[in-house]
Amino acid sequence: SQQGEEDPQALSIQEGENATMNCSYKTSINNLQWYRQNSGRGLVHLILIRSNEREKHSGRLRVTLDTSKKSSSLLITASRAADTASYFCATDVAETSGSRLTFGEGTQLTVNP
Amino acid sequence: GAGVSQSPSNKVTEKGKDVELRCDPISGHTALYWYRQSLGQGLEFLIYFQGNSAPDKSGLPSDRFSAERTGGSVSTLTIQRTQQEDSAVYLCASSRQGRLSGANVLTFGAGSRLTVL
Repeated sequence: SQQGEEDPQALSIQEGENATMNCSYKTSINNLQWYRQNSGRGLVHLILIRSNEREKHSGRLRVTLDTSKKSSSLLITASRAADTASYFCATDVAETSGSRLTFGEGTQLTVNP
Repeated sequence: GAGVSQSPSNKVTEKGKDVELRCDPISGHTALYWYRQSLGQGLEFLIYFQGNSAPDKSGLPSDRFSAERTGGSVSTLTIQRTQQEDSAVYLCASSRQGRLSGANVLTFGAGSRLTVL
């Protein structure tokens, strides 16, 4: 079963607007990561937030984590057409065989010029 | 190498044939992962290697799927007697730290797109 679930499934905005994507998960995590995938390409790591952190910034990206609600959000500010891609959250879950990275279904973001 | 390399980038095969997909991870990355991504879907975990051993094969969908890794480097994912439902993009990723060493950040290859006719 999917550990992480993103919403919305698809988001279309105008250039310059902010984009917010949400991720919910079910079990305790070591950390949560966000990845980006351009069409036909592999995934690229964007940002990691540990379970004891609440907010993290990287350039135009802001990630929040609420472990009590088992949810995270990714905010992209001042979006650009080049931000058009699919965005996935991935939860790093402690298991007996070591941590396991499980991906959600992704949010397809379209930024219109 | 500078990144994770996968080959072939595209493979079209007939139902019932065997296919081999190759992954060349980043030099020095001890952990290697295979995922499968169907069209418009998320990533489905298949198998994880730490060095040459595979402590977690739980995601392999059937015994037609197997993978090996030699020399702690190149990995091959083999699908025997392919079925149409095997059609997907097969993504390989590597990690310096692996699953036992804390934050596990993956570097992905571009994937191998498999189409079974």
